Amino acid sequence: EADIYQTPRYLVIGTGKKITLECSQTMGHDKMYWYQQDPGMELHLIHYSYGVNSTEKGDLSSESTVSRIRTEHFPLTLESARPSHTSQYLCASRASYEQYFGPGTRLTVT
Amino acid sequence: RKEVEQDPGPFNVPEGATVAFNCTYSNSASQSFFWYRQDCRKEPKLLMSVYSSGNEDGRFTAQLNRASQYISLLIRDSKLSDSATYLCVVKRNNNDMRFGAGTRLTVKP
Repeated sequence: EADIYQTPRYLVIGTGKKITLECSQTMGHDKMYWYQQDPGMELHLIHYSYGVNSTEKGDLSSESTVSRIRTEHFPLTLESARPSHTSQYLCASRASYEQYFGPGTRLTVT
Repeated sequence: RKEVEQDPGPFNVPEGATVAFNCTYSNSASQSFFWYRQDCRKEPKLLMSVYSSGNEDGRFTAQLNRASQYISLLIRDSKLSDSATYLCVVKRNNNDMRFGAGTRLTVKP
């Protein structure tokens, strides 16, 4: 079982609110990732990090931002949530070849 | 063109059937290859790695053809519990992982 956690699991929030999605892993992995996935659709990489103080944007443009101050923690922030941000957000981490995913945060912006 | 291409399906097969999924990748420098499984509303999980010589894990067989840049997954004697989306994953030489869009399989009684 992977030791990667995401909170909250479900979030319903109004337009314009600032939100932070938490992701933590206890495996000591340097590489961490955020993906966005709509139901029945493919994963889209939105952010990644190869270590502390290193963050990069992924393939899909996103209005979110991330930080990596500690190895185990990779939070994602939306400064002003909009209905178009409604989706599932999956965090993942990797040491060598196997990528472990967290259970996801299902976000609904009303 | 996407870097990792998969037939999206859906594949609807009866229990006991054999089903094969194909995947092609465009980056010839790709180093490692995997199949992940994602159940409905769940996170993806590693199903198996794909080795150059081909490899088998129970009812599952994975094959790689580097010359054609092609990966396959064969499932024999399908079970209802095999219903899921199967993601083809390629690791580039710069260490990035690239996920295909997935092939959806439904096994029916």
